[in-house]
Amino acid sequence: DAGITQSPRHKVTETGTPVTLRCHQTENHRYMYWYRQDPGHGLRLIHYSYGVKDTDKGEVSDGYSVSRSKTEDFLLTLESATSSQTSVYFCAIGSQNTGELFFGEGSRLTVL
Amino acid sequence: SQQGEEDPQALSIQEGENATMNCSYKTSINNLQWYRQNSGRGLVHLILIRSNEREKHSGRLRVTLDTSKKSSSLLITASRAADTASYFCATERNSGNTPLVFGKGTRLSVIA
Repeated sequence: DAGITQSPRHKVTETGTPVTLRCHQTENHRYMYWYRQDPGHGLRLIHYSYGVKDTDKGEVSDGYSVSRSKTEDFLLTLESATSSQTSVYFCAIGSQNTGELFFGEGSRLTVL
Repeated sequence: SQQGEEDPQALSIQEGENATMNCSYKTSINNLQWYRQNSGRGLVHLILIRSNEREKHSGRLRVTLDTSKKSSSLLITASRAADTASYFCATERNSGNTPLVFGKGTRLSVIA
């Protein structure tokens, strides 16, 4: 299995509070991604990164920010959580050579 | 917006039968990939087919790609109860180095 871990795996928070999800990889891949998964919507891309300090927005980036200060870590921040951000968040790392993605086990976030 | 759309949304078959899932997409692609997700887990890469390929096999999996119809199919032969999962297609667009875009998935149930 690819060395990718997400933390926390489960979190319950209240509306308006900041939340940071962490994705850590030991594979030295340049490409990292944050997706959210919701019933009826499949996986939707939030933000992605092609290297340290190189990030870009995906299709559902509103209300989220990311940071990539080290190759191994990609942080997703909800500055002020809303109930619509209740979801399962998946981090993925990408192989530049093969094009396939390796996924973490997901972080389930509930915003009350 | 979603690039790939899987069909059917849900499929229930008996063990030993073949399962066929379809994926349609909208724009030109570099490659198309299929992923599997067991309940409560991250996605796992199954197979990648490039735009210049028409068919690919991996064990009990057979993937076809018809770029003229912008469609792909995933066939699982001699299905097993352990194949019960959701299956997603994902496309890499033919417009530079762009992230994968996932469909909403097909939920496959294999009944023993």
